Amino acid sequence: KNEVEQSPQNLTAQEGEFITINCSYSVGISALHWLQQHPGGGIVSLFMLSSGKKKHGRLIATINIQEKHSSLHITASHPRDSAVYICAALNYGGSQGNLIFGKGTKLSVKP
Amino acid sequence: NAGVTQTPKFRILKIGQSMTLQCTQDMNHNYMYWYRQDPGMGLKLIYYSVGAGITDKGEVPNGYNVSRSTTEDFPLRLELAAPSQTSVYFCASSYRGWNEQFFGPGTRLTVL
Repeated sequence: KNEVEQSPQNLTAQEGEFITINCSYSVGISALHWLQQHPGGGIVSLFMLSSGKKKHGRLIATINIQEKHSSLHITASHPRDSAVYICAALNYGGSQGNLIFGKGTKLSVKP
Repeated sequence: NAGVTQTPKFRILKIGQSMTLQCTQDMNHNYMYWYRQDPGMGLKLIYYSVGAGITDKGEVPNGYNVSRSTTEDFPLRLELAAPSQTSVYFCASSYRGWNEQFFGPGTRLTVL
């Protein structure tokens, strides 16, 4: 069983739809990252959160530490949101650390 | 600012050859990281550095070496290339440890 699992693996939506991508983890974490990988391969960091909720534009990330679950929401989706969305669980203590990545959710938004 | 730059963009190696993947950042970030991404798999951390002169192993360090002689540069060395090292390699940096990371464009390496 992977330590970080994402669902769904693939998601197709119509422009304007509300999108939810889920991330579950089985390890103890210090924080959780959400990243976006563009079709050309470039990777951009979206959020890092350790509790509650963060919002940036049309993107909202939430985390429930007790349930070991995080969600990424996209409101009013647009074709330019088409990308692979990746969550990563951060485990660190002192100077030692590791990021464990999910395999990603491929989102396609149709006009 | 150029951000994080990586060279080369593409490379084909023969089994047993050596090469260095270059990574440079101009944001004065203390933390730098090397990841590999295999098709259909998640990114995996190879090595990371918390500052000049300090490096540490990640999840998959075997077959690789790193050095960090300056804040800006964090090269990744493959000594004896193997087909299992065929992957896309990403370098990243962050100002504070494990916070928002800025990624380079990646190097696509094929070992035949």
